Amino acid sequence: QVQLQESGPGLVKPSETLSLTCTVSGDYMSGYYWGWIRQPPGKGLDYIGWIYYGTTNYNPSLKSRVTISVDTSKNQFSLRLTSVTAADTAVYFCARAVDSRPFDYWGQGTLVSVSS
Amino acid sequence: EVVLTQSPGTLSLSPGERATLSCRASQRVSNNYLAWYQQKPGQAPRLLIYVASSRAAGVPDRFSGSGSGTDFTLTISRLEPEDFAVYYCNQYGSSPLSFGGGTKVEIK
Repeated sequence: QVQLQESGPGLVKPSETLSLTCTVSGDYMSGYYWGWIRQPPGKGLDYIGWIYYGTTNYNPSLKSRVTISVDTSKNQFSLRLTSVTAADTAVYFCARAVDSRPFDYWGQGTLVSVSS
Repeated sequence: EVVLTQSPGTLSLSPGERATLSCRASQRVSNNYLAWYQQKPGQAPRLLIYVASSRAAGVPDRFSGSGSGTDFTLTISRLEPEDFAVYYCNQYGSSPLSFGGGTKVEIK
């Protein structure tokens, strides 16, 4: 059974960079899409982006600030979001998808607050 | 970008009743790549339905999905106590992926 676990700081200052890591256990990373989705408190789900081998896809609304990378040797993939503001406060989920399928396995999510 | 509009925003029903949730897309969903998720407070979304009508592994058969093109429906035939939650539709057929705003199914 594949499991995903997000990790990273729970508090980031405005204008700084949010960095999160998702650790995958129970399966290899090859052949899957690995993505990030966020959910502001009390609101709906927002797609951030995914990585598939070396190819990335980002939500245009975040594209200028987002980088997703993968380190298969560590069974991890990461999210970097630069120049954060209070609007980036959210629960951040990592997730896995198979080609032509939606995200099926999700991490439990981690709350990141942006505040000075 | 495909914008998904879910209705109603809130559905108040009693256990045993039938729930019908709607998801309308601003343009045709490619290959009917439309999924439904259930989310309970403090939890990650759980995949229920993919490609509009296929149930994910382990999902009870009281959950069914239908529709094509721009109009999709999630039906819960008889609500169980554990079904009261928020439901999201998601299109994954075109970039960027997008989610609907959600429908909350609450106990009447």
